[in-house]
Amino acid sequence: NAGVTQTPKFQVLKTGQSMTLQCAQDMNHNSMYWYRQDPGMGLRLIYYSASEGTTDKGEVPNGYNVSRLNKREFSLRLESAAPSQTSVYFCASSGTSGGSSYEQYFGPGTRLTVT
Amino acid sequence: GDSVTQMEGPVTLSEEAFLTINCTYTATGYPSLFWYVQYPGEGLQLLLKATKADDKGSNKGFEATYRKETTSFHLEKGSVQVSDSAVYFCALRGSYIPTFGRGTSLIVHP
Repeated sequence: NAGVTQTPKFQVLKTGQSMTLQCAQDMNHNSMYWYRQDPGMGLRLIYYSASEGTTDKGEVPNGYNVSRLNKREFSLRLESAAPSQTSVYFCASSGTSGGSSYEQYFGPGTRLTVT
Repeated sequence: GDSVTQMEGPVTLSEEAFLTINCTYTATGYPSLFWYVQYPGEGLQLLLKATKADDKGSNKGFEATYRKETTSFHLEKGSVQVSDSAVYFCALRGSYIPTFGRGTSLIVHP
């Protein structure tokens, strides 16, 4: 049981390049989330997916797109990277079945630098 | 909308000292409340939770009680260890989107 996995762990991009961050969970969770973490800013929600087939914007969606490929996988795409997107990105998942308190399970993070 | 306010850090303590990290929240309805911990270079992991008023969550010597009358969920530990050095996040889940505090860094010296 791997929990939430993310790839890659580290990435360096040049301004204007594109990339996709991958996330997968093996806990049969309905909901998945993408956050970014910057010093002094805590966690900020980029996009989330309440269930397979749906996605919604979070607090800071500009410059990002997401795909909920199936129940297990939720990817985050940067179409044209900017230095302001230098951050640590975390994927998380949570269950929504009856009786669940909805705690989240986080991946290990992707450390992205845009030069 | 929902919000979580937690004390700013860093909190610096000596080993075996008592720890309190304050957390207050604003939410409609009856949210579930959580404390997460983040060790250096890792993702967040659930430390403890409480789902209704007066519930006490506990784990690894940490405790927090869901106080609806004061809208608080303060984290406490009676005797901290160097290994407790980490960033602690208070969070709530009311509506569909979880809401996090900004995190409090704890540094424990031997």
